[in-house]
Amino acid sequence: QLVESGGGVVQPGGSLRLSCVTSGMTFRVFGMHWVRQAPGKGLEWLSYIRDNGREVQYADSVKGRSTISRDNSKKTLYLDINSLTPEDTAVYFCVKDLYGWNPDGNFDHWGQGTQVTVSS
Amino acid sequence: QSVLTQPPSVSAAPGQKVTIVCSGSSSNIGNNDVSWFQFIPGTAPRVVMYGNSKRPSGIPDRFSGSKSGASATLDITGLQTGDEAEYYCGTWDRSLRAGVFGTGTTLTVL
Repeated sequence: QLVESGGGVVQPGGSLRLSCVTSGMTFRVFGMHWVRQAPGKGLEWLSYIRDNGREVQYADSVKGRSTISRDNSKKTLYLDINSLTPEDTAVYFCVKDLYGWNPDGNFDHWGQGTQVTVSS
Repeated sequence: QSVLTQPPSVSAAPGQKVTIVCSGSSSNIGNNDVSWFQFIPGTAPRVVMYGNSKRPSGIPDRFSGSKSGASATLDITGLQTGDEAEYYCGTWDRSLRAGVFGTGTTLTVL
Protein backbone atom coordinates (compact mmCIF):
# COMPACT_ATOMS: atom_id res chain seq x y z
CA GLN A 1 0.00 0.00 0.00
CA LEU A 2 1.18 3.51 -0.83
CA VAL A 3 -0.22 6.46 1.12
CA GLU A 4 0.70 10.00 0.12
CA SER A 5 0.45 13.04 2.34
CA GLY A 6 1.72 16.59 2.55
CA GLY A 7 -0.57 18.21 0.02
CA GLY A 8 -2.64 21.28 0.66
CA VAL A 9 -2.97 24.91 -0.38
CA VAL A 10 0.33 26.70 -0.93
CA GLN A 11 0.98 30.28 -2.00
CA PRO A 12 2.84 30.93 -5.25
CA GLY A 13 6.56 30.88 -4.63
CA GLY A 14 6.12 28.55 -1.69
CA SER A 15 7.40 25.05 -1.14
CA LEU A 16 6.19 21.76 0.24
CA ARG A 17 7.30 18.24 1.05
CA LEU A 18 5.20 15.34 -0.11
CA SER A 19 5.57 11.99 1.62
CA CYS A 20 4.59 8.49 0.59
CA VAL A 21 4.49 5.90 3.34
CA THR A 22 4.57 2.33 2.12
CA SER A 23 3.49 -0.92 3.69
CA GLY A 24 3.10 -4.51 2.64
CA MET A 25 6.19 -4.40 0.44
CA THR A 26 9.96 -4.59 0.80
CA PHE A 27 10.39 -0.91 0.05
CA ARG A 28 14.19 -0.90 -0.05
CA VAL A 29 14.38 -3.13 -3.14
CA PHE A 30 12.12 -1.13 -5.44
CA GLY A 31 12.55 2.01 -7.46
CA MET A 32 9.88 4.67 -6.97
CA HIS A 33 8.35 7.46 -9.02
CA TRP A 34 6.31 10.59 -8.53
CA VAL A 35 3.60 11.37 -11.08
CA ARG A 36 1.03 14.17 -11.13
CA GLN A 37 -2.27 14.95 -12.79
CA ALA A 38 -3.40 18.53 -13.17
CA PRO A 39 -7.14 19.26 -13.25
CA GLY A 40 -8.62 18.04 -16.50
CA LYS A 41 -5.22 17.00 -17.80
CA GLY A 42 -3.32 13.79 -18.38
CA LEU A 43 -0.57 12.19 -16.38
CA GLU A 44 2.83 13.81 -16.03
CA TRP A 45 5.84 11.87 -14.80
CA LEU A 46 7.97 13.95 -12.43
CA SER A 47 10.78 11.99 -10.88
CA TYR A 48 12.38 8.60 -10.21
CA ILE A 49 14.68 7.26 -7.53
CA ARG A 50 16.30 3.84 -7.57
CA ASP A 51 16.20 1.38 -4.69
CA ASN A 52 19.29 2.58 -2.89
CA GLY A 53 18.64 6.26 -3.61
CA ARG A 54 21.87 6.69 -5.56
CA GLU A 55 20.26 7.44 -8.91
CA VAL A 56 17.54 10.00 -9.53
CA GLN A 57 15.87 11.43 -12.61
CA TYR A 58 13.66 14.50 -13.01
CA ALA A 59 11.28 15.88 -15.59
CA ASP A 60 12.27 19.23 -17.03
CA SER A 61 9.17 20.79 -15.46
CA VAL A 62 10.54 20.26 -11.94
CA LYS A 63 14.27 19.89 -12.50
CA GLY A 64 16.26 22.33 -10.40
CA ARG A 65 13.43 23.05 -8.01
CA SER A 66 12.58 19.62 -6.70
CA THR A 67 14.34 16.83 -4.85
CA ILE A 68 13.26 13.23 -4.64
CA SER A 69 14.56 11.20 -1.73
CA ARG A 70 13.79 8.14 0.29
CA ASP A 71 14.32 6.75 3.76
CA ASN A 72 14.43 3.00 3.45
CA SER A 73 14.45 2.57 7.23
CA LYS A 74 11.11 4.39 7.36
CA LYS A 75 9.82 2.86 4.11
CA THR A 76 9.00 6.37 2.98
CA LEU A 77 9.42 8.28 -0.27
CA TYR A 78 9.63 12.08 -0.41
CA LEU A 79 9.33 14.84 -2.95
CA ASP A 80 10.39 18.37 -2.05
CA ILE A 81 9.27 21.07 -4.47
CA ASN A 82 9.93 24.80 -4.24
CA SER A 83 9.15 27.90 -6.30
CA LEU A 84 5.62 26.63 -6.75
CA THR A 85 3.35 28.21 -9.37
CA PRO A 86 -0.34 27.70 -10.13
CA GLU A 87 0.77 25.34 -12.90
CA ASP A 88 1.92 22.94 -10.17
CA THR A 89 -1.67 22.50 -8.99
CA ALA A 90 -2.36 18.81 -9.36
CA VAL A 91 -2.92 15.50 -7.64
CA TYR A 92 0.48 13.99 -6.86
CA PHE A 93 0.88 10.23 -6.88
CA CYS A 94 3.69 8.01 -5.72
CA VAL A 95 4.16 4.99 -7.92
CA LYS A 96 6.12 1.83 -7.31
CA ASP A 97 8.37 0.39 -10.00
CA LEU A 98 8.54 -3.32 -10.58
CA TYR A 99 12.32 -3.28 -10.32
CA GLY A 100 14.94 -1.72 -8.10
CA TRP A 101 16.89 0.02 -10.78
CA ASN A 102 16.94 0.59 -14.57
CA PRO A 103 13.28 1.61 -14.95
CA ASP A 104 11.69 0.17 -18.06
CA GLY A 105 8.02 1.09 -17.92
CA ASN A 106 6.69 -1.25 -15.26
CA PHE A 107 4.76 1.05 -12.96
CA ASP A 108 3.06 -1.63 -10.93
CA HIS A 109 1.33 0.09 -8.03
CA TRP A 110 -0.08 3.56 -7.36
CA GLY A 111 -1.06 5.47 -4.27
CA GLN A 112 -4.37 7.31 -4.00
CA GLY A 113 -2.70 10.70 -4.47
CA THR A 114 -2.51 13.95 -2.52
CA GLN A 115 -3.95 17.23 -3.78
CA VAL A 116 -1.67 20.24 -4.11
CA THR A 117 -3.23 23.60 -4.85
CA VAL A 118 -1.04 26.62 -5.52
CA SER A 119 -3.06 29.77 -5.04
CA SER A 120 -2.90 33.11 -3.31
CA GLN B 1 2.50 17.22 -23.37
CA SER B 2 2.04 13.46 -23.64
CA VAL B 3 4.58 11.49 -25.63
CA LEU B 4 2.32 8.50 -26.23
CA THR B 5 -0.88 8.74 -28.28
CA GLN B 6 -4.22 7.13 -27.43
CA PRO B 7 -7.70 7.59 -28.87
CA PRO B 8 -9.66 10.13 -26.80
CA SER B 9 -12.59 7.77 -26.34
CA VAL B 10 -13.91 4.31 -27.04
CA SER B 11 -17.32 2.86 -26.37
CA ALA B 12 -19.21 -0.38 -26.69
CA ALA B 13 -22.22 -2.15 -25.25
CA PRO B 14 -22.08 -4.42 -22.21
CA GLY B 15 -20.62 -7.79 -23.09
CA GLN B 16 -18.81 -6.46 -26.12
CA LYS B 17 -15.10 -5.88 -26.65
CA VAL B 18 -13.02 -2.73 -26.95
CA THR B 19 -9.43 -2.19 -27.98
CA ILE B 20 -7.32 0.75 -26.86
CA VAL B 21 -4.13 1.41 -28.78
CA CYS B 22 -1.14 3.30 -27.40
CA SER B 23 1.32 4.56 -30.00
CA GLY B 24 4.87 5.64 -29.30
CA SER B 25 8.32 5.31 -30.77
CA SER B 26 11.43 3.19 -30.68
CA SER B 27 12.80 5.17 -27.75
CA ASN B 28 9.88 4.28 -25.52
CA ILE B 29 7.38 1.52 -26.36
CA GLY B 30 9.69 0.01 -28.96
CA ASN B 31 12.33 -0.83 -26.37
CA ASN B 32 10.55 -0.94 -23.02
CA ASP B 33 7.61 -2.56 -21.31
CA VAL B 34 4.19 -0.96 -21.25
CA SER B 35 1.80 -0.67 -18.33
CA TRP B 36 -1.88 0.24 -18.37
CA PHE B 37 -3.78 2.07 -15.65
CA GLN B 38 -7.46 2.51 -14.84
CA PHE B 39 -8.58 5.80 -13.34
CA ILE B 40 -12.04 5.98 -11.79
CA PRO B 41 -12.94 9.23 -10.00
CA GLY B 42 -12.84 8.89 -6.25
CA THR B 43 -10.71 5.75 -6.26
CA ALA B 44 -6.98 5.05 -6.31
CA PRO B 45 -5.54 4.39 -9.78
CA ARG B 46 -5.42 0.72 -10.57
CA VAL B 47 -2.82 -1.10 -12.64
CA VAL B 48 -4.61 -3.42 -15.04
CA MET B 49 -1.57 -4.52 -17.03
CA TYR B 50 2.20 -4.40 -16.70
CA GLY B 51 5.07 -5.94 -18.62
CA ASN B 52 2.99 -5.51 -21.79
CA SER B 53 0.75 -8.48 -21.10
CA LYS B 54 0.92 -9.38 -17.41
CA ARG B 55 -2.20 -9.01 -15.28
CA PRO B 56 -1.80 -8.08 -11.62
CA SER B 57 -3.61 -10.27 -9.17
CA GLY B 58 -7.27 -9.36 -8.98
CA ILE B 59 -7.54 -8.19 -12.58
CA PRO B 60 -9.94 -10.43 -14.48
CA ASP B 61 -8.79 -12.24 -17.59
CA ARG B 62 -11.23 -10.10 -19.57
CA PHE B 63 -8.30 -7.68 -19.67
CA SER B 64 -5.40 -8.53 -21.96
CA GLY B 65 -2.44 -6.64 -23.32
CA SER B 66 0.04 -6.91 -26.13
CA LYS B 67 2.82 -4.98 -27.80
CA SER B 68 4.07 -4.88 -31.35
CA GLY B 69 6.85 -2.57 -32.43
CA ALA B 70 6.15 0.90 -31.12
CA SER B 71 2.50 0.30 -30.26
CA ALA B 72 0.75 -1.43 -27.39
CA THR B 73 -2.83 -2.60 -27.10
CA LEU B 74 -5.23 -3.13 -24.23
CA ASP B 75 -8.21 -5.34 -24.96
CA ILE B 76 -11.19 -5.56 -22.67
CA THR B 77 -13.78 -8.23 -23.44
CA GLY B 78 -17.13 -8.94 -21.84
CA LEU B 79 -17.51 -5.25 -20.99
CA GLN B 80 -19.19 -4.35 -17.71
CA THR B 81 -20.44 -0.99 -16.51
CA GLY B 82 -17.77 -1.12 -13.82
CA ASP B 83 -15.13 -0.93 -16.55
CA GLU B 84 -16.10 2.66 -17.34
CA ALA B 85 -13.00 4.70 -16.59
CA GLU B 86 -10.12 6.66 -18.03
CA TYR B 87 -7.34 4.38 -19.22
CA TYR B 88 -3.72 5.43 -19.60
CA CYS B 89 -0.69 3.64 -20.95
CA GLY B 90 2.78 4.32 -19.63
CA THR B 91 6.37 3.34 -20.21
CA TRP B 92 9.94 4.61 -19.95
CA ASP B 93 11.65 6.65 -22.64
CA ARG B 94 15.33 5.89 -23.01
CA SER B 95 16.14 9.04 -24.93
CA LEU B 96 14.34 11.36 -22.53
CA ARG B 97 15.41 9.31 -19.51
CA ALA B 98 11.93 9.86 -18.20
CA GLY B 99 8.61 8.15 -17.68
CA VAL B 100 6.05 8.88 -20.36
CA PHE B 101 2.32 8.41 -20.47
CA GLY B 102 -0.43 8.28 -23.03
CA THR B 103 -3.02 10.97 -23.63
CA GLY B 104 -5.70 8.89 -21.95
CA THR B 105 -8.81 7.14 -23.28
CA THR B 106 -12.30 7.43 -21.84
CA LEU B 107 -14.12 4.13 -21.95
CA THR B 108 -17.89 4.33 -22.03
CA VAL B 109 -20.00 1.22 -21.67
CA LEU B 110 -23.23 2.10 -23.45
